[in-house]
Amino acid sequence: KAGVTQTPRYLIKTRGQQVTLSCSPISGHRSVSWYQQTPGQGLQFLFEYFSETQRNKGNFPGRFSGRQFSNSRSEMNVSTLELGDSALYLCASSLWGTGGANPNTIYFGEGSWLTVV
Amino acid sequence: GQSLEQPSEVTAVEGAIVQINCTYQTSGFYGLSWYQQHDGGAPTFLSYNALDGLEETGRFSSFLSRSDSYGYLLLQELQMKDSASYFCAVGPSNQGGKLIFGQGTELSVKP
Repeated sequence: KAGVTQTPRYLIKTRGQQVTLSCSPISGHRSVSWYQQTPGQGLQFLFEYFSETQRNKGNFPGRFSGRQFSNSRSEMNVSTLELGDSALYLCASSLWGTGGANPNTIYFGEGSWLTVV
Repeated sequence: GQSLEQPSEVTAVEGAIVQINCTYQTSGFYGLSWYQQHDGGAPTFLSYNALDGLEETGRFSSFLSRSDSYGYLLLQELQMKDSASYFCAVGPSNQGGKLIFGQGTELSVKP
């Protein structure tokens, strides 16, 4: 079966702009979680969506937002970009969620590399 | 707060055995899992401990002791392709849909 697809893979934005990243989960998976990965902070949880509802949110400012569509595809948006937002943004797909689920059913995408200049 | 600590880097030679430790300060979690990530690509699942004790999956084994707030990943018969970053992670039981990751350990396997 097809894996988790994230687009775009690489992008460069200017400070103050906004960006939208997309994640298509594995067919049948209803949960999509987003993580930010930076060298200094590691992998940090942004938010999780299940059946179009945000179930949990990490400690990120309101500039970070997301949504999930009826086909389970998810988007995340970052507005008013800052240099510190440069990171690899990873999407994780699972049937029930990345918290309580058996982690061998969690699949990560290759990520979207965002560079803010 | 909740945190997991791992060594930042480990070096070993091909064919050797290496242990990557993970100590944590969190309570009420479903289990300790381990992920491998090559060069910033997709993290992939390696092993999971829901209960205390040892879990073995081929060349990889993982251990958890909740009383000691400690776990480790053991890699045997190291191969060059094992050079990667390894992350431990927990899913807090009161925060569904979330994984907390350690900072990661970069493993370098030398010939």
